[in-house]
Amino acid sequence: NAGVTQTPKFRVLKTGQSMTLLCAQDMNHEYMYWYRQDPGMGLRLIHYSVGEGTTAKGEVPDGYNVSRLKKQNFLLGLESAAPSQTSVYFCASSERGGLKQYFGPGTRLTVT
Amino acid sequence: RKEVEQDPGPFNVPEGATVAFNCTYSNSASQSFFWYRQDCRKEPKLLMSVYSSGNEDGRFTAQLNRASQYISLLIRDSKLSDSATYLCVVTLPTGGFKTIFGAGTRLFVKA
Repeated sequence: NAGVTQTPKFRVLKTGQSMTLLCAQDMNHEYMYWYRQDPGMGLRLIHYSVGEGTTAKGEVPDGYNVSRLKKQNFLLGLESAAPSQTSVYFCASSERGGLKQYFGPGTRLTVT
Repeated sequence: RKEVEQDPGPFNVPEGATVAFNCTYSNSASQSFFWYRQDCRKEPKLLMSVYSSGNEDGRFTAQLNRASQYISLLIRDSKLSDSATYLCVVTLPTGGFKTIFGAGTRLFVKA
């Protein structure tokens, strides 16, 4: 039981490049989330999903897209990376809304 | 006003000290409350859920005051290993249960 895993762990992009971050969970959780964490600002929700095939916008969705084609996977895409997207990205999952969230180890992204 | 506000910190305490963290939230419709712990460069992990009746887990005690919209975390007999950032988390029963994280309070426990 691996819990929540994220790939890659680190990435450096140039402005304008695209990439996809993958999150996988093996706990059969319905809800999945993508957050970004910046110094002094806490975690901010980018997008979330309440079940396979569903996605919804969080607090800071601009510049990101997501997909949840399979229940266990939640993908976060950056179509055209900007330096403002330099951050640590965490994926999380929960059995349903309002319950304990389990986090992945994070992806450190730098956009130059 | 931020939706979830925490003591700015950092807190620097000696081993064995008792330390209290406070958190306030702005939305009275908030439904679930948690304290998470985050070690440096690691992911957040749940420390405790918080209930109106109060709950205790070893050296940790959490309390919720719905009337004052206030949450607290008390750590007794601090250990070096308690050094971390403590995040106050609140959920709202809207749009997939909106989860709001406080910015966190950093704790340093020194020998």
